[in-house]
Amino acid sequence: GAVVSQHPSWVICKSGTSVKIECRSLDFQATTMFWYRQFPKQSLMLMATSNEGSKATYEQGVEKDKFLINHASLTLSTLTVTSAHPEDSSFYICSARDPSGYSEQYFGPGTRLTVT
Amino acid sequence: SQQGEEDPQALSIQEGENATMNCSYKTSINNLQWYRQNSGRGLVHLILIRSNEREKHSGRLRVTLDTSKKSSSLLITASRAADTASYFCAYLTNAGKSTFGDGTTLTVKP
Repeated sequence: GAVVSQHPSWVICKSGTSVKIECRSLDFQATTMFWYRQFPKQSLMLMATSNEGSKATYEQGVEKDKFLINHASLTLSTLTVTSAHPEDSSFYICSARDPSGYSEQYFGPGTRLTVT
Repeated sequence: SQQGEEDPQALSIQEGENATMNCSYKTSINNLQWYRQNSGRGLVHLILIRSNEREKHSGRLRVTLDTSKKSSSLLITASRAADTASYFCAYLTNAGKSTFGDGTTLTVKP
């Protein structure tokens, strides 16, 4: 099946700094990518939909100025957590939709962010 | 809430027994996928079932989909201790977004 990668797989940063997470579709071009967040012992919640060449669409309650999304190419979307705080510590997972065939979504392995 | 519902929330069984978990949703869907997640790790894709399919098998896994009832079930037969994990359904809506269920935590006792 299609492969979606994320980098880094884990990151520790200090409070107040910004962290960038990359999501790549490795063998297909993804016009649409999605970013999810998972807190401990909870399910995954959709944060935003990233569209290549246009602004991201954020779900209700997600601060667009804090979670900057850039989808500059058909294979790369980035999520930047700005001025990170300990409450932003979470597991961030991206997915990419393959526009061919059945338009299925493929999920990346996730990035664990710890803010100290 | 955007979340789908899964039940049970937690399931504890003995090795060798079967485990069944259910997922319900509220909208029309394109497909539904089941994932496993070990504690602190990423998602492992198990099975995808499309809206025009009713049942799929993969090894010890059997997934059913009833679009009239907007529900799906995952059956793990002859469970093993290594099956201990959280299991999530994720359904792709016609709007193009995948929404996850709340998850079922499965514990298989050796």
